Amino acid sequence: DAGVIQSPRHEVTEMGQEVTLRCKPISGHNSLFWYRQTMMRGLELLIYFNNNVPIDDSGMPEDRFSAKMPNASFSTLKIQPSEPRDSAVYFCASSSWTEGLAFFGQGTRLTVV
Amino acid sequence: QKEVEQNSGPLSVPEGAIASLNCTYSDRVSQSFFWYRQYSGKSPELIMSIYSNGDKEDGRFTAQLNKASQYVSLLIRDSQPSDSATYLCALYTGRRALTFGSGTRLQVQP
Repeated sequence: DAGVIQSPRHEVTEMGQEVTLRCKPISGHNSLFWYRQTMMRGLELLIYFNNNVPIDDSGMPEDRFSAKMPNASFSTLKIQPSEPRDSAVYFCASSSWTEGLAFFGQGTRLTVV
Repeated sequence: QKEVEQNSGPLSVPEGAIASLNCTYSDRVSQSFFWYRQYSGKSPELIMSIYSNGDKEDGRFTAQLNKASQYVSLLIRDSQPSDSATYLCALYTGRRALTFGSGTRLQVQP
């Protein structure tokens, strides 16, 4: 099992540019989560999908952020336009059952300059 | 009040000692509880899960849950320098995804 796969691992971009983060969940998992981690705010849930449908996006900070899950094996998180305060590590996680257990990808470290 | 509260630490213990990590939560309908370990620059990895009151042991790790008092703890026996990491408490209420505490940094001194 390859685990949750995220790309890119690192991204450095200039303020105002569009950034797209990608995630491939574990095969067979029906829930997918996007988290953001910073020193100040810890690990925050941005959005989660169940069976490819967004269930809770209340953690998405503002309209600059959007997420899609076109099929069971792929999801994207897009930031447009990016700002320096978006700099963080973004984690994707997936789960196969309803008791909450989640497995994390290696994360994407985003730096917006 | 935060949903999940943890002391940020660092908690420093000597090698071979017992490390005790604590977590309190506010939502009484929380169903499932997890401890994740996160090494610096790495992603969180699950080390323990607990669903009912009492103790659950797995090797050197023991998770303790007290729903009446709304706390969950993690004991690490015979602490090793390799246990030095941030430990994240997480809970699941059935309404949202996992909610995480801010983590406790553990330092095990050789």
